[in-house]
Amino acid sequence: SAVISQKPSRDICQRGTSLTIQCQVDSQVTMMFWYRQQPGQSLTLIATANQGSEATYESGFVIDKFPISRPNLTFSTLTVSNMSPEDSSIYLCSVERGTGTDTQYFGPGTRLTVL
Amino acid sequence: RKEVEQDPGPFNVPEGATVAFNCTYSNSASQSFFWYRQDCRKEPKLLMSVYSSGNEDGRFTAQLNRASQYISLLIRDSKLSDSATYLCVVNPLSGSARQLTFGSGTQLTVLP
Repeated sequence: SAVISQKPSRDICQRGTSLTIQCQVDSQVTMMFWYRQQPGQSLTLIATANQGSEATYESGFVIDKFPISRPNLTFSTLTVSNMSPEDSSIYLCSVERGTGTDTQYFGPGTRLTVL
Repeated sequence: RKEVEQDPGPFNVPEGATVAFNCTYSNSASQSFFWYRQDCRKEPKLLMSVYSSGNEDGRFTAQLNRASQYISLLIRDSKLSDSATYLCVVNPLSGSARQLTFGSGTQLTVLP
């Protein structure tokens, strides 16, 4: 199994600022994913972080708002830019449980509140 | 219509009870199906995959009905520790985690 850590675990931010969330995995993985889970809602995929190439964003999410880095096979960052209260959510990173599988391990999440 | 719909819940059941959750999906071409469990303020964790023939893992039984496009999860002899939100997850594309579609979850509280 993969062990995933995220930093910070939670934060309270002012609108208009940006926050960068880090995701660290204890083993090399090909695909890392970033999800958002708004209060009372299920998980929505923001983007897939690819090592060595641009992230692949899902409909409704854009790079200017959620820039992603993937410098190596064990680490990724998601930045929430120019935040508004609507960005208050839990942000989770995840990895595939195995190459070519369709189940995932999730990180513990970052709980973001934007005032 | 949502791609994955679940019983709204919440379900409040006494210890030892049997409880069942249903989930329907809209994409008839969906390939694989799962139940995840999410404890309060925690990340989702895979509970079990759901196979066409149905599968059982201890007190948990999952079933798939492709014709009617629904998935079920049965929990027998409920324990206090079963209290959580159960997420139905569907993948229209087998072998790729990118396409996973999550239901909004069903909250279960097992009461002493």
